Amino acid sequence: GAGVSQSPSNKVTEKGKDVELRCDPISGHTALYWYRQRLGQGLEFLIYFQGNSAPDKSGLPSDRFSAERTGESVSTLTIQRTQQEDSAVYLCASTDNEQFFGPGTRLTVL
Amino acid sequence: GQNIDQPTEMTATEGAIVQINCTYQTSGFNGLFWYQQHAGEAPTFLSYNVLDGLEEKGRFSSFLSRSKGYSYLLLKELQMKDSASYLCAVNTGGFKTIFGAGTRLFVKA
Repeated sequence: GAGVSQSPSNKVTEKGKDVELRCDPISGHTALYWYRQRLGQGLEFLIYFQGNSAPDKSGLPSDRFSAERTGESVSTLTIQRTQQEDSAVYLCASTDNEQFFGPGTRLTVL
Repeated sequence: GQNIDQPTEMTATEGAIVQINCTYQTSGFNGLFWYQQHAGEAPTFLSYNVLDGLEEKGRFSSFLSRSKGYSYLLLKELQMKDSASYLCAVNTGGFKTIFGAGTRLFVKA
């Protein structure tokens, strides 16, 4: 596709439920990032995939968070047993040097 | 540790020039980026510096001094639409990039 796409654009869930967020990167980009951005704050690095190397998971805030990527294609970020503090915009970016960001998924945990 | 510092907020007047500073201390350095983010939108790329000096692109310029761990973004002929957050980000090696918290710029008439 022409750019990075993410789905859903908005997700409202109840505390304790699991959610899955999807990112479709730009074709050919080997690196993919997930970030979290709380309202009025900067980007918080979560996880980074680079080709077939082991992902850098150093930014994941807890073991409730996990992410997968198949090859150089789609990635999914899964949050289990969601908490209210997980409410944020989750941004995905793919890169061939500069990062191209998707529109984000706005997650609201009630 | 990894640290990127930028001012939290700045205010400037339409038509003026504003300079947004960024200092960084990172374990590696493979280039510095500036991104613009309007409220409610995703960040978009503005500039990339890997060598010392000034890169100019229209109304926007970005400067880097690697020895000082310092960069600035210069915006000229400010327009109301320039009101946004400006994010400084450092590539610390490979494709790993760390972002600062961003500087919120308010442009007033």
